[in-house]
Amino acid sequence: NAGVTQTPKFQVLKTGQSMTLQCAQDMNHNSMYWYRQDPGMGLRLIYYSASEGTTDKGEVPNGYNVSRLNKREFSLRLESAAPSQTSVYFCASSDGAGFLADYGYTFGSGTRLTVV
Amino acid sequence: AQTVTQSQPEMSVQEAETVTLSCTYDTSESDYYLFWYKQPPSRQMILVIRQEAYKQQNATENRFSVNFQKAAKSFSLKISDSQLGDAAMYFCAFRTQGGSEKLVFGKGTKLTVNP
Repeated sequence: NAGVTQTPKFQVLKTGQSMTLQCAQDMNHNSMYWYRQDPGMGLRLIYYSASEGTTDKGEVPNGYNVSRLNKREFSLRLESAAPSQTSVYFCASSDGAGFLADYGYTFGSGTRLTVV
Repeated sequence: AQTVTQSQPEMSVQEAETVTLSCTYDTSESDYYLFWYKQPPSRQMILVIRQEAYKQQNATENRFSVNFQKAAKSFSLKISDSQLGDAAMYFCAFRTQGGSEKLVFGKGTKLTVNP
């Protein structure tokens, strides 16, 4: 099925460990996004990529890095995990400035990350 | 910067009744899109309804409709004939037209449907 695939779905890390969250979309979308969701905070943008080869910071980028590997894939890396990064992470894609952009985003199913 | 405010952290409704979720936003843009997303316990983000700012007519999708008041920067969601499956977190979101098309979300409203 077409959509956005995130891996893993669940992860527990120790403080200081590193990991990469993977995201891939097969809809030929130009733009991809990483959000984190915390209770009472809604979804906040971490990083985004408006097109292949470009990335930009969102609202809460500290402690994260991203890579837009190609048009399909957009990964999020935690270099040294901290308990404050315990959250649910969502990847999303959209058609960028294309006609379908006004239909919003297509979201992955999320990754629940716990840092102990 | 655009902001989205959902003033009701939690709402409840009886099955088959109608409930309205509130959303206000702040922007200096004239062209933009507004969305309501539903997040059930499965965590999946599901688009419920969208509204283009240039359209005066309020959007409707089956039992879901919006009351879009552009001058007041208000975008409420009405759910008619509420069903148990409507229980979820609901997020209001805003996106400007063009540019990087970032979605800005409100903090969400948790809707409980009582049988």
